Amino acid sequence: GDSVTQMEGPVTLSEEACLTINCTYTATGYPSLFWYVQYPGEGLQLLLKATKADDKGSNKGFEATYRKETTSFHLEKGSVQVSDSAVYFCALSEETSGSRLTFGEGTQLTVNP
Amino acid sequence: ETGVTQTPRHLVMGMTNKKSLKCEQHLGHNAMYWYKQSAKKPLELMFVYSLEERVENNSVPSRFSPECPNSSHLFLHLHTLQPEDSALYLCASSPHLGDTSTDTQYFGPGTRLTVL
Repeated sequence: GDSVTQMEGPVTLSEEACLTINCTYTATGYPSLFWYVQYPGEGLQLLLKATKADDKGSNKGFEATYRKETTSFHLEKGSVQVSDSAVYFCALSEETSGSRLTFGEGTQLTVNP
Repeated sequence: ETGVTQTPRHLVMGMTNKKSLKCEQHLGHNAMYWYKQSAKKPLELMFVYSLEERVENNSVPSRFSPECPNSSHLFLHLHTLQPEDSALYLCASSPHLGDTSTDTQYFGPGTRLTVL
């Protein structure tokens, strides 16, 4: 079956540091890939997505590129802020499964001033 | 504010109680979902509704009973729960149950459930 593996957290960075959160996936077809973010006390919000190989999703300074050859979708940001502290979830959806999402375990990010 | 609201935000219940979680979406979406979020585990999809019809039930115990009276409201009825059912229960909606290249799920803030 489908699965998503994220790097283990928690991740702690200083403000303005570079961020990479690794995500790899296993899927039988050609999935769409997503990053969701969950701020404290809130539900999940879509951060960015990519629907085919070599697509780059971007939002709020975050980027991720759909790499079919390495089955990866790593999340990157060049300079993090305290307000980026949250839990980040990588997810996929197979084209044959409609809107059903398979999530990774989530990575807790804490950014210190 | 994502347009999906959930009540209550926090709930503490005993194993013999009966309670219900409510989800409401103000987005005109046709598909709604219940997820369970437990510590250190991936989100688990519990139920999927499309146009008020249940289209998926992922081996969820019968002590969880969903209800979708219309496309804007989704309930999760709880009875005789176990302590291991303590978790954050998230509701989500999407325009329709279809291609995620054009579709996105919008999540509510969740209900934090504690079973004593």
